[in-house]
Amino acid sequence: KNEVEQSPQNLTAQEGEFITINCSYSVGISALHWLQQHPGGGIVSLFMLSSGKKKHGRLIATINIQEKHSSLHITASHPRDSAVYICAVEPDSNYQLIWGAGTKLIIKP
Amino acid sequence: DTAVSQTPKYLVTQMGNDKSIKCEQNLGHDTMYWYKQDSKKFLKIMFSYNNKELIINETVPNRFSPKSPDKAHLNLHINSLELGDSAVYFCASSQEGLPRSEAFFGQGTRLTVV
Repeated sequence: KNEVEQSPQNLTAQEGEFITINCSYSVGISALHWLQQHPGGGIVSLFMLSSGKKKHGRLIATINIQEKHSSLHITASHPRDSAVYICAVEPDSNYQLIWGAGTKLIIKP
Repeated sequence: DTAVSQTPKYLVTQMGNDKSIKCEQNLGHDTMYWYKQDSKKFLKIMFSYNNKELIINETVPNRFSPKSPDKAHLNLHINSLELGDSAVYFCASSQEGLPRSEAFFGQGTRLTVV
């Protein structure tokens, strides 16, 4: 079993829909990252969380440390949001990241 | 301006060759990294380097070696390339040790070994 699980693996939605991507992990962590990988392969760091909630434009990330769970939300989704979204956690034990497998999101116009 | 840039973007080479991938960051960050993305899309850290310390993931074959001529560059050298080395390799940098500060990634280099 992977230490970081994302769901769903694939998600297709219509433009304008509210999107939720989930990340669950099984280790104690000090921080969690959400990243976006564009179709061309480049990766952009979206959020780093250790508690609570962060918002950046139409993107919202939340984390519940007790439940070992984080969600990434996209409001008013747009075709340009189509990408792979990756969750990664930093275990308490060391600085190295444990990565989820990613969620492939397709937003149709 | 590109914050973290890798070259080349694509690299096709024969088994047994030695190749290098270059990475440069213009963010003034102290720490740089190399990641390998495998066929299942997992990103695995290979190296972490700042001006004080090189940390190597012990699962990385010693055919892979990082070279840092200065703080802004961390190049990846690969000797005696094997078919299994085919993957996308990402360079990244952060101000402090990841992930106390957010990381910025390069666009990736797709290596194909034939």
